[in-house]
Amino acid sequence: QQQVKQSPQSLIVQKGGISIINCAYENTAFDYFPWYQQFPGKGPALLIAIRPDVSEKKEGRFTISFNKSAKQFSLHIMDSQPGDSATYFCAASMGLGGSYIPTFGRGTSLIVHP
Amino acid sequence: EAEVAQSPRYKITEKSQAVAFWCDPISGHATLYWYRQILGQGPELLVQFQDESVVDDSQLPKDRFSAERLKGVDSTLKIQPAELGDSAMYLCASSLDRAPYEQYFGPGTRLTVT
Repeated sequence: QQQVKQSPQSLIVQKGGISIINCAYENTAFDYFPWYQQFPGKGPALLIAIRPDVSEKKEGRFTISFNKSAKQFSLHIMDSQPGDSATYFCAASMGLGGSYIPTFGRGTSLIVHP
Repeated sequence: EAEVAQSPRYKITEKSQAVAFWCDPISGHATLYWYRQILGQGPELLVQFQDESVVDDSQLPKDRFSAERLKGVDSTLKIQPAELGDSAMYLCASSLDRAPYEQYFGPGTRLTVT
């Protein structure tokens, strides 16, 4: 059972455009939603994260939009740059025994053309 | 900038052979995680350590996988015997402590079982 569904699987955007990646989750107990960025040959790196008590969080060109009632959240990358080309993973987690272990989506491969 | 170190970066082994991966977390990080990432999917937790103790190994295939963090610093993940289905990226991550601290991932070990 896939608890976090991510789409699209791949995305091609022109430089300066907006990249949008969507995720949906099943378990309403999730209360922490991070996004990770992974470059080839590297491990994932935390990009931005949100808790369900807010509907939006912005850090630079990256914005998370969160819809608790729909159990959906999305990543928007404004003014996309070729350097943003990477695989993006959404994740969801909840506190269990004092730990927050992320359940990852399948990832979105983003290519930004110059 | 401190990073999580992993070795080897690549490993090719024949099925039924033993293989081991090493991880050195960021200095001072009490919590260490081993993840497996199958190509085209997000990472999945195998085992979590808090100092030298296992906190969660519910997803670790214990008939063939073992993990240890004897002195609460570096860690080793072993597979014996390796199977074709074990081919994946094995990622180590560390965090200052358990929830909700950010996890820092290493570059991973790419395992190919032939």
